[in-house]
Amino acid sequence: AQSVTQLDSQVPVFEEAPVELRCNYSSSVSVYLFWYVQYPNQGLQLLLKYLSGSTLVKGINGFEAEFNKSQTSFHLRKPSVHISDTAEYFCAVKYGGSQGNLIFGKGTKLSVKP
Amino acid sequence: GAGVSQSPSNKVTEKGKDVELRCDPISGHTALYWYRQSLGQGLEFLIYFQGNSAPDKSGLPSDRFSAERTGGSVSTLTIQRTQQEDSAVYLCASSFIVGGGQETQYFGPGTRLLVL
Repeated sequence: AQSVTQLDSQVPVFEEAPVELRCNYSSSVSVYLFWYVQYPNQGLQLLLKYLSGSTLVKGINGFEAEFNKSQTSFHLRKPSVHISDTAEYFCAVKYGGSQGNLIFGKGTKLSVKP
Repeated sequence: GAGVSQSPSNKVTEKGKDVELRCDPISGHTALYWYRQSLGQGLEFLIYFQGNSAPDKSGLPSDRFSAERTGGSVSTLTIQRTQQEDSAVYLCASSFIVGGGQETQYFGPGTRLLVL
């Protein structure tokens, strides 16, 4: 079955430290990959997406992610986090180039401490 | 412009009652999706509407759940005879189909449902 795994349910980090949130997906010939962020009591906001081309994708708020086909990964990184980055982050995959629903990971709660 | 809106933002109901949740997609978006976000379960797909095509209902957890989309715009998700396990945040998303599955889904703020 097609699936998305976010290996860490919670990631605590100090302000200005780098962070990496991990995401792996089950292998497929064609995938589109997304990272969404959810601030408390809000909906999901798109951070970045990989459709094709360069494997390093830059998004909003200084985040970036790298698509690694051989490792079926799409890890999210930020070199220096802020208190305001405290939120839950979701990795999502669209398989096979078809229209329809996204398959989400279970989310990673990023907690940035002063 | 306006984003996806959902109403109500919060709903408390008693077990066994029916509830209706509403979603107003972004104007011009032809695709509409419903997801459910439960503690420990992440985001689960429920149903997908695209234009005039038959909806993809493959994610609906039981026949107590149904949804309709009127006039290709507003959608209503109905849960009949609610159970406590239906308590969750119900998220709606919409997208403009660009072909090949590359569309971006834009999410509403969700409806938080609590079944007592």
